[in-house]
Amino acid sequence: NAGVMQNPRHLVRRRGQEARLRCSPMKGHSHVYWYRQLPEEGLKFMVYLQKENIIDESGMPKERFSAEFPKEGPSILRIQQVVRGDSAAYFCASSPSPSEKLFFGSGTQLSVL
Amino acid sequence: GQNIDQPTEMTATEGAIVQINCTYQTSGFNGLFWYQQHAGEAPTFLSYNVLDGLEEKGRFSSFLSRSKGYSYLLLKELQMKDSASYLCAVAMNTGFQKLVFGTGTRLLVSP
Repeated sequence: NAGVMQNPRHLVRRRGQEARLRCSPMKGHSHVYWYRQLPEEGLKFMVYLQKENIIDESGMPKERFSAEFPKEGPSILRIQQVVRGDSAAYFCASSPSPSEKLFFGSGTQLSVL
Repeated sequence: GQNIDQPTEMTATEGAIVQINCTYQTSGFNGLFWYQQHAGEAPTFLSYNVLDGLEEKGRFSSFLSRSKGYSYLLLKELQMKDSASYLCAVAMNTGFQKLVFGTGTRLLVSP
C-alpha cells in the first residue's frame, strides 16, 4: 500500500511564476491536509479538504494561494505569482476519517529565485 | 495565540535514554502527537496522548499532563537510526486533524 505521494520533490520557480504542487493520498483516504514548513519554523496548517470540498482554509494566505481536491485525481496546491517568501517545504497529509491520525508525504521543497 | 515549546537540539549516546520535553499553551486541546522526521523525509507518527499519564510502545514512551500543559517523549536504548527531528503537535478542538506544531527537536545520537 503506497504512502502519500507528493510531486515534484523539488520545484524551482522564478518570482512571478506559478507553482503547482500535487498530492495523491493513501488508498482509501478521502481527507487531505496541506502544511507548510518555513525555514527554522514548525509545520503550519494551511488547508483541509475532502473530496470536492474545502472544509477549512484558515491557514491559507488570502491571496495567490488556492487548493483543490477533485473527484478524480490528486489534490493540487497552487501558488500564483510566487515571491521569495513562498520558499518552503510543503507537506501533504491524508487520513481515512477526520479524527484519525495523519500520514504525511515526503514534501515538496519550493525554491523561488 | 498558540505556543508550543521544545528544545532545539539534543545530543545523546548510543544505548542511553533521552527525554524530549514539550510545553504548550493553546486555545484548544484535543490530544498531543509526537512525530519523528528524518532529514528530507515525511514525518512519521510515534504516539498520541489525550489523557494524562504514560503511554508505552516498545523503546518509545510518551507522557502527558494536561493541567501542566506538558508532555515528554522518552527514548530508551538509543540507536544511531534514532538521530532525527522529533515534532510535538497539539490537536485543536475542530473535529479534524488541525495540528499546531512546535519547531521540533533535533536529536543527534553518537557512538
